[in-house]
Amino acid sequence: AQTVTQSQPEMSVQEAETVTLSCTYDTSESDYYLFWYKQPPSRQMILVIRQEAYKQQNATENRFSVNFQKAAKSFSLKISDSQLGDAAMYFCAYLGLNAGNNRKLIWGLGTSLAVNP
Amino acid sequence: DSGVTQTPKHLITATGQRVTLRCSPRSGDLSVYWYQQSLDQGLQFLIQYYNGEERAKGNILERFSAQQFPDLHSELNLSSLELGDSALYFCASSVGYSQNTEAFFGQGTRLTVV
Repeated sequence: AQTVTQSQPEMSVQEAETVTLSCTYDTSESDYYLFWYKQPPSRQMILVIRQEAYKQQNATENRFSVNFQKAAKSFSLKISDSQLGDAAMYFCAYLGLNAGNNRKLIWGLGTSLAVNP
Repeated sequence: DSGVTQTPKHLITATGQRVTLRCSPRSGDLSVYWYQQSLDQGLQFLIQYYNGEERAKGNILERFSAQQFPDLHSELNLSSLELGDSALYFCASSVGYSQNTEAFFGQGTRLTVV
């Protein structure tokens, strides 16, 4: 079965600095997507970035970028120039594409990120 | 604002009772997903409906059921509630048939079973 592990329950970063959140996953599938979602105190889950496994190029969305290492099954999120509004819970999620009708998102337990002014 | 509306925001009920959670997807989205978020198990996918029909099933208990109506809103019914059912229940919606299209989440319903 697929699993997603976020080994850092809590992280903190100074405003304007860079922080990297770790995510590893376990799968035997070849086709899949990986996601980072942000959950601020408002509780809403917001998609931050998505990576298709078949793409070698790391996804980037403004200050957010990923380091996707397929062989190592690692998918870390880098937040550059951290802002106070980045403080949130960050979830890594995996979606295998080989499961047909049983396809489902597998989520990590999250990393709580604090941004210090 | 994601455009996904969930009601109620908070719900407190006793063990053994039954509750219904409601979700209105974003305009134009045909898929609705239900998730349960608890502290010890993280976010768990429960079930997906697409255009009124069940599309995918996750870790949904037999005491739980869901449906999607012709106007595309969805309801999650939880019955014979237990203390362990206390959690945040999220609804998400997406345009596509598959979960790899971007899903937009509501703000959740916090269910407390006492």
